[in-house]
Formats: sequence, C-alpha cells, structure tokens
Amino acid sequence: DAGITQSPRHKVTETGTPVTLRCHQTENHRYMYWYRQDPGHGLRLIHYSYGVKDTDKGEVSDGYSVSRSKTEDFLLTLESATSSQTSVYFCAISVNGQGAEAFFGQGTRLTVV
Amino acid sequence: GENVEQHPSTLSVQEGDSAVIKCTYSDSASNYFPWYKQELGKGPQLIIDIRSNVGEKKDQRIAVTLNKTAKHFSLHITETQPEDSAVYFCAASNGRADSWGKLQFGAGTQVVVTP
Repeated sequence: DAGITQSPRHKVTETGTPVTLRCHQTENHRYMYWYRQDPGHGLRLIHYSYGVKDTDKGEVSDGYSVSRSKTEDFLLTLESATSSQTSVYFCAISVNGQGAEAFFGQGTRLTVV
Repeated sequence: GENVEQHPSTLSVQEGDSAVIKCTYSDSASNYFPWYKQELGKGPQLIIDIRSNVGEKKDQRIAVTLNKTAKHFSLHITETQPEDSAVYFCAASNGRADSWGKLQFGAGTQVVVTP
C-alpha cells in the first residue's frame, strides 16, 4: 500500500460531533489528497496538499478542513459531522503534482448516525 | 473543470473472454490517464496508465488505448480470470503546475468474471 496508513479504519459517530481522520505516509511524498467514495460517484476530491502547511480545496470541500504540519501526516476534520458525510474516505499520495502516479491508502469507513 | 464519464457501470464476462471499459473526458488539456482496480474492502490500486503522447500501452493481459481527438480512452482485459473481478475506475489529470496532480474519476465499472 505504498507506505500509507489511514486511521481509524472504521468509525461511527453522532451527528454534530467533530471527527478527525489521519493519513500517515512513509514515502516522503510532497503531494497528499483526501477523496471520498460514494456509490455512483467514483472518488471525489475533498482537499489536497502540495507541501507542509500548503493546502487547498477540492470539489466537495464544504464541511471539511485539513491540516498538514509535517510531510508525513495529513489530517481531515469534519467540523460537525452530518449524515451526508457518511462515506468511505481515501487518502492518496503522489511524488509530484504533474501527472505522476497516485497511490491510495486502505480507506476509512465513516458512519454518521 | 474536467468531467470523466465511464461505461458500462456493470460488466459480466465469461472467464477467458475479453472485457472493455470506456471513458470519455472533457478537458482537452488532460494528459495523464490512469486506471485503478479496487477489490472489496481495499483502496484503489493503480494497474496501468497512459500519457497523451502515447496511443496504446500494454502490460500482460491489460492494455489501455487513448484517442485524443475523440477524447476517450479504454481499458482492455484479455483472457479474463476470476481474480479480475473488481471495480475499475478511470481517471484523468492534466500536467499543468496549478493542477497539483488532482485526479478526476469516472463513476466506476463493476466487473464480474464468471467461471
């Protein structure tokens, strides 16, 4: 899995609570991404990072924030979880930001009740 | 922005037959087209990719073709085996510095190979 660890792997949380998902890489890659996967939608980009403290929004960023204080860690926070954020979340890494291969973690299944 | 459409959504094939999945993209600036295979409970795994300066690429039983003029690319799996059963995703990206390697994915194709 290209040295990517996502935690937790599964989580059930209540509506309105904050949740943080962690992505840890051992590859020292500069680029990291958070995607969500929902039936019929493929994978959609939430946020991405092109360096420490350098992040930007993807196409479905509402309700999410990210932080990257170290090269190896990229955190995704749901500020106040809603049922529409029930999904499988994948972290990905890439060695460069110009069409290089992206490698994915195993995913975190989040259920908001 | 980029939009990627993928067909079919499901594909059933007999073991030993070929499978073809097709994707179209909208952004003429896209120049990198990876394909991912996702098995149940796992993350997507890169299986093959192609860049816009190449029309076809093969790796054993899988191949990808690209038609830049028509803006479509396809995945071909020959001599399918039960272990090819999975969900396959196509994606597109452009090489501009401000794209930051972001991928736009198709909706996925569930491939079922029956013995």
